[in-house]
Amino acid sequence: QVHLVQSGPEVKRPGASVRVTCKASGYIFTTNGINWVRQAPGQGLEWLGWISGYNGNTLYAENFQGRLTMTTDTSTNTAYMELRNLRSEDTAMYFCARVAGIAVGEIDYWGQGSLVTVSS
Amino acid sequence: QSVLTQPPSVSGAPGQRVTISCTGTSSNIGAGYDVHWYQQLPGTSPKLLIYGDNNRPSGVPDRFSGSKSGTSASLAITGLQAEDEADYYCQSFDSSLSGSYVFGSGTKVTVL
Repeated sequence: QVHLVQSGPEVKRPGASVRVTCKASGYIFTTNGINWVRQAPGQGLEWLGWISGYNGNTLYAENFQGRLTMTTDTSTNTAYMELRNLRSEDTAMYFCARVAGIAVGEIDYWGQGSLVTVSS
Repeated sequence: QSVLTQPPSVSGAPGQRVTISCTGTSSNIGAGYDVHWYQQLPGTSPKLLIYGDNNRPSGVPDRFSGSKSGTSASLAITGLQAEDEADYYCQSFDSSLSGSYVFGSGTKVTVL
């Protein structure tokens, strides 16, 4: 059974960085991509980026270029998302989510979400 | 500002049929990219409801169906039930710039 377990809530000051982890289990990590999606309080879903579980290739949303880094560790089946220079508008629930295949496609499993709060 | 446009809300009585539209452009839905739909119950992570325009994952009731035409897609819920009250999001891929996943603005379904 596929599980994506994310790290706990974080509170950060403006200008700081946050790293969210996503540990995958129940499937062969290198056969699927991972998306990161966020949801601000009371708002809709916003795509941040995609990383290949096979070779670590990434595709980032234009709005986050230069502030966002996604990586994977295939030895521990873990994906990481780091967002830098945080602003209050970055306060949101951050989800990791498995893509059904190795390339772009539907998201078939979601993590439980990691709440990131940015406040001075 | 979401790339895919959905109505903010739709409502219906139990047993009725409701539809949710998802309007895109020639660089996403109109370019032939698949449309997927997700259901998000309050306080939970989204769940895949429809993939590849009109396919249901195992376990999703056949009350849910998807369709696509031109630059738009639709999700239909027939025989509306109380447990269908949730937020629904469409999603596709957009080929503009370097390519990106795009989500709809979301639709709140209320069961009257």
